[in-house]
Amino acid sequence: AQSVTQLGSHVSVSEGALVLLRCNYSSSVPPYLFWYVQYPNQGLQLLLKYTSAATLVKGINGFEAEFKKSETSFHLTKPSAHMSDAAEYFCAVASSASKIIFGSGTRLSIRP
Amino acid sequence: NAGVTQTPKFQVLKTGQSMTLQCAQDMNHNSMYWYRQDPGMGLRLIYYSASEGTTDKGEVPNGYNVSRLNKREFSLRLESAAPSQTSVYFCATTAYSGTGSNYGYTFGSGTRLTVV
Repeated sequence: AQSVTQLGSHVSVSEGALVLLRCNYSSSVPPYLFWYVQYPNQGLQLLLKYTSAATLVKGINGFEAEFKKSETSFHLTKPSAHMSDAAEYFCAVASSASKIIFGSGTRLSIRP
Repeated sequence: NAGVTQTPKFQVLKTGQSMTLQCAQDMNHNSMYWYRQDPGMGLRLIYYSASEGTTDKGEVPNGYNVSRLNKREFSLRLESAAPSQTSVYFCATTAYSGTGSNYGYTFGSGTRLTVV
């Protein structure tokens, strides 16, 4: 079975600092991987997705993620945090053509 | 605007009451899903419908039923609500190709349900 593990339920960084949210996956076949963002009282919004075309994936709002097969990782980064980045972030893996499995989420806080 | 519409946005039920959560999409997608979100547990799949006319259980189906009314609509029913079903419910949809690629989900804005 496929799964994802997000390391750290809460991450806090200063405004302007590097954002790094960690995600490791487990999959017996080449996976499709996703990062979603959820702002307070809203639904989830797709940030970026990996579908084997390129290992470095760029998403919206300046985020990017790198697929590392040897480490089974798909960490999310942003060079410089903004206050508006405060939200909950979910890593997810596609277990088949029709289902996605979500991690438990990481809440990102930004300090002024 | 194209997307996924969920109704109602908020609901309070008494234990034992029933209700139906509605979801409609205008994206012409085949697949639709119901998830529940609880603090610290991420999103857990309740039921899904890979195409019109089919439904399948997900990770946490007990206490729920679903109906795929047509390609656009996928409803979730609680026959006898329990406090453990207090949660935020999300409907989602996706298109995927026959080769197996997955484009990711589009989510509705959620229904916040409280069972007292």
